Amino acid sequence: EADIYQTPRYLVIGTGKKITLECSQTMGHDKMYWYQQDPGMELHLIHYSYGVNSTEKGDLSSESTVSRIRTEHFPLTLESARPSHTSQYLCASRDTRGPGELFFGEGSRLTVL
Amino acid sequence: DQQVKQNSPSLSVQEGRISILNCDYTNSMFDYFLWYKKYPAEGPTFLISISSIKDKNEDGRFTVFLNKSAKHLSLHIVPSQPGDSAVYFCAASAGNTGNQFYFGTGTSLTVIP
Repeated sequence: EADIYQTPRYLVIGTGKKITLECSQTMGHDKMYWYQQDPGMELHLIHYSYGVNSTEKGDLSSESTVSRIRTEHFPLTLESARPSHTSQYLCASRDTRGPGELFFGEGSRLTVL
Repeated sequence: DQQVKQNSPSLSVQEGRISILNCDYTNSMFDYFLWYKKYPAEGPTFLISISSIKDKNEDGRFTVFLNKSAKHLSLHIVPSQPGDSAVYFCAASAGNTGNQFYFGTGTSLTVIP
């Protein structure tokens, strides 16, 4: 059973606001990821982390930033939200040992007005 | 350029019949493939995976077939049930500890009672 949690599940905010999407996992996984997904489109990797104090940008350019101060926590921050940031954001984690699937959280649906 | 492609955006199947979802990839370095199921406003849930050393993997009603020469994989669901109605994503990665999974755009399966 995957134990990865995202909050908030839904967020509607105005343009220019700062937001942080929270992601926590209790599986002790070193690798964590943020994906962005729009309806009918593939999941795009925007950030990933190998472990504490490690963060990298994914293939899809994003104005968001991430941090990894603790193994279990991988928050994503938008300093100034815009309507183009409206999307679903999916956090995932993976066990480093050998091949293994990504475990996903339930997602955060962000709407910027 | 998209490395994982699901060319059928939607599929409808009668309850009890077989559902076949297809996926093509272009990167010959991919050696680990996964299928995920996703309901609206939720995160993807892992269904089944296959390593490139195999050509078939079975788990209950779900079977994944891999044809490396054709760079093609398929997911068979037998028998299909109404609860299987969801969007199905295939994903691929290169290397046992590959950091990035590449996802297709998904196929929306509807199982008609």
